[in-house]
Amino acid sequence: GAGVSQSPSNKVTEKGKDVELRCDPISGHTALYWYRQSLGQGLEFLIYFQGNSAPDKSGLPSDRFSAERTGGSVSTLTIQRTQQEDSAVYLCASSQGLAGALLLSSGANVLTFGAGSRLTVL
Amino acid sequence: GENVEQHPSTLSVQEGDSAVIKCTYSDSASNYFPWYKQELGKRPQLIIDIRSNVGEKKDQRIAVTLNKTAKHFSLHITETQPEDSAVYFCAASLRGSQGNLIFGKGTKLSVKP
Repeated sequence: GAGVSQSPSNKVTEKGKDVELRCDPISGHTALYWYRQSLGQGLEFLIYFQGNSAPDKSGLPSDRFSAERTGGSVSTLTIQRTQQEDSAVYLCASSQGLAGALLLSSGANVLTFGAGSRLTVL
Repeated sequence: GENVEQHPSTLSVQEGDSAVIKCTYSDSASNYFPWYKQELGKRPQLIIDIRSNVGEKKDQRIAVTLNKTAKHFSLHITETQPEDSAVYFCAASLRGSQGNLIFGKGTKLSVKP
């Protein structure tokens, strides 16, 4: 697609419920990232994918959080047994190549963000 | 753990003045340093980036400088305009995991007309 698409744009759920957030990256982008942004706060790194592989899952806040990516494209972030502190905007981004990789192509490292999924846990 | 410190958290300047935002990083092997601008209610967007083999990069009113020895980099905005008002985030890639891009906590810049 033309940009990074995220769904749902807004999700209100009750504490204890599971939620799934979806990210559809720019076509051809091999790298995909998930960040969390609490109200008025910075961008907290959660996880990234190179293709379908997630080399570093250390940013996930707890074992209630998981993510997967299939076909080198769409990714889902799943939060089980949601808690009120999970309330935030979850941002997805994609790039042609990995952010820190030595790439010859200008702009290949640049992350393009989606509009985010705002999660509210009551 | 590895992190990126950003200062100041808020910055208010008069239109036409310059603004400087500074960041420090802990991973000496970090090699990529982008800056993102996030306007209220919108997604972050890249404004400028620099690699570790370059000391300075400029794009019109925006410039970034990098001091690898001191492990800090700065964003300079000259001739500020009201539309520069936004939250600015610095970021650094981490060693050993080329995909990890860690962001600072952001600087809210207000440009007063």
